[in-house]
Parts: sequence; structure tokens; C-alpha cells
Amino acid sequence: SQQGEEDPQALSIQEGENATMNCSYKTSINNLQWYRQNSGRGLVHLILIRSNEREKHSGRLRVTLDTSKKSSSLLITASRAADTASYFCAPTGNQFYFGTGTSLTVIP
Amino acid sequence: DGGITQSPKYLFRKEGQNVTLSCEQNLNHDAMYWYRQDPGQGLRLIYYSQIVNDFQKGDIAEGYSVSREKKESFPLTVTSAQKNPTAFYLCASSMGQAFTGELFFGEGSRLTVL
Repeated sequence: SQQGEEDPQALSIQEGENATMNCSYKTSINNLQWYRQNSGRGLVHLILIRSNEREKHSGRLRVTLDTSKKSSSLLITASRAADTASYFCAPTGNQFYFGTGTSLTVIP
Repeated sequence: DGGITQSPKYLFRKEGQNVTLSCEQNLNHDAMYWYRQDPGQGLRLIYYSQIVNDFQKGDIAEGYSVSREKKESFPLTVTSAQKNPTAFYLCASSMGQAFTGELFFGEGSRLTVL
């Protein structure tokens, strides 16, 4: 399978803490994207990092990419209860290779 | 507001019936996609289309059919040949060439076979 694989599968933290999710993949990519999905809803794009970039920030989000290790991480700082959702990485080559997601629960 | 509209949100089907899921976008995007999402699995690509009157099979196209008669519309038909159609179906679109930029998703259609 060429899917991205997120780790951990589930994560539970207290409000205000940081949340880190990891993504590994197998194929060569042009970019890697992260998406968020609230239960029963469509996915929402969070951030895109290109293969020649190592780190990118957007608000409380920080994404890193290590193409030599074929891995990426998503850090959400100062988490809020509203961040509770599933997060998916999508390594992108000739297709979007969505992983199975990390389910994040932020406890108020 | 610009976006992608999927309908219906919930759909029930009897075995042996074909059903069609609607997907409309007003983002002027060239590429459109259909994904299937099952519990515990990632999104799997059913079909995608880069331009009007052209579409390509994804990883799990068997039992599904699509059309792209207008740039704005990309309906998905789940045929009776699809053996396990109960799932959450997501339509998406993107600018420019397929599989390059960010995806914009609809809110999904949940199909249940009775």
C-alpha cells in the first residue's frame, strides 16, 4: 500500500497542551498535506508543505517534513476543545495517499 | 459562498438498486474526485476527472460509474454490482492539474444498504 500512515491512531490530551501527530509514507512525493475531519463531516485542508520545504507554520500549526525518512509531523500548540477531530496526512505524488488518521480528543 | 455541495446527506438503498449521489461545485475547479471512507480506513479513490467528458478510474472503481457533462457537476452512481456499498462518500475538487494542489471537500453522503 502507498497510503500514508499516521501515528498514534488516537490521542487524548488536556486543553492547553500540545498535540503531535506523525505521518510516514512509502512513495516519492511532490508535497504533503494535512487535513482535519470533524465527525460525520467533510475534510478541511489545513496546510501543504512542498517536498523541498522542511518546516511550515500556520497559526497554531507547525508541520515538518523529512523526505529522507519519508515522514512528517503535525504539531498543534495550545490545543482547544474545538480541535477535537480526526487528522489525516495526504502524501501527494501521482495521487493523494490518505492515511487512516489520528483521532484527537482535547479534554476541556 | 463558493464550495462543494453533495446531496443527499443520507441515503438508504435496497439491495439490487442503483443510486446516484450528486456533487456540484461553484469554485471553477478543473479537477473533481470521488472518495469512499470506511471506518478505520483511509480515503480510497473511486474516480476522478480532470476535464469535462473525461474521467479516470481510481483504486476501487468496480461497481461505480460517473459522468462529467458539465464542469460544475460530477455525479457518482453506485450500481447493484457494488457488493458492499454501505459507506461514507466524499466528493472533492481542486484547481489546475489533478493531484497537485489542495482539495476542497463536500460534506459527504452516507449510503446505507438495507
